[in-house]
Amino acid sequence: AQSVTQLGSHVSVSEGALVLLRCNYSSSVPPYLFWYVQYPNQGLQLLLKYTSAATLVKGINGFEAEFKKSETSFHLTKPSAHMSDAAEYFCAVRRRSTGTASKLTFGTGTRLQVTL
Amino acid sequence: GAGVSQSPRYKVAKRGQDVALRCDPISGHVSLFWYQQALGQGPEFLTYFQNEAQLDKSGLPSDRFFAERPEGSVSTLKIQRTQQEDSAVYLCASSLTGANTEAFFGQGTRLTVV
Repeated sequence: AQSVTQLGSHVSVSEGALVLLRCNYSSSVPPYLFWYVQYPNQGLQLLLKYTSAATLVKGINGFEAEFKKSETSFHLTKPSAHMSDAAEYFCAVRRRSTGTASKLTFGTGTRLQVTL
Repeated sequence: GAGVSQSPRYKVAKRGQDVALRCDPISGHVSLFWYQQALGQGPEFLTYFQNEAQLDKSGLPSDRFFAERPEGSVSTLKIQRTQQEDSAVYLCASSLTGANTEAFFGQGTRLTVV
């Protein structure tokens, strides 16, 4: 079975500071990995995904994540936080498939707070 | 439509009442997923359709939960005899094809059972 663990349910950073949200995965084979953002009372929006091309993945809104197989990690970073980044962030894993689609397995989420 | 549409956005049900939640996926999307998101938790998989075929229902928590997608487009998630533990946000997602395409999520239906 696949799973992801997000370290830290709440992270607070100052505006302009580095954002680092941690995610570690467990999978018997190299999976696909995703980061989603959820604003209050909204659905999930895809920030970025890793599907075995480049290990450093760039996403929307200045976010990026690096797939590190040796550490089984896929941490999300942004060099400079903005107030609008305050939201809930979810890491997710999905097994590779060549036929039918496969489900996403989500972490428990990290709430990012950005302060002045 | 432009995105995945879910209705109603909010539903309050008395314990024991049956509810039906609707998902209108992006036109032409073959795959459709339902997830349940409890307060303060990540979404958890409920069931998956490819066109009208329900290929995976392993996440449905009990036989009170039933989902259908009869014409391969709109899907309905039905919960019978609702209980307080069913209170959650129910998210629907659709994707264009099968294996490796992005899933687009709706805004969800917040179900509160009182």
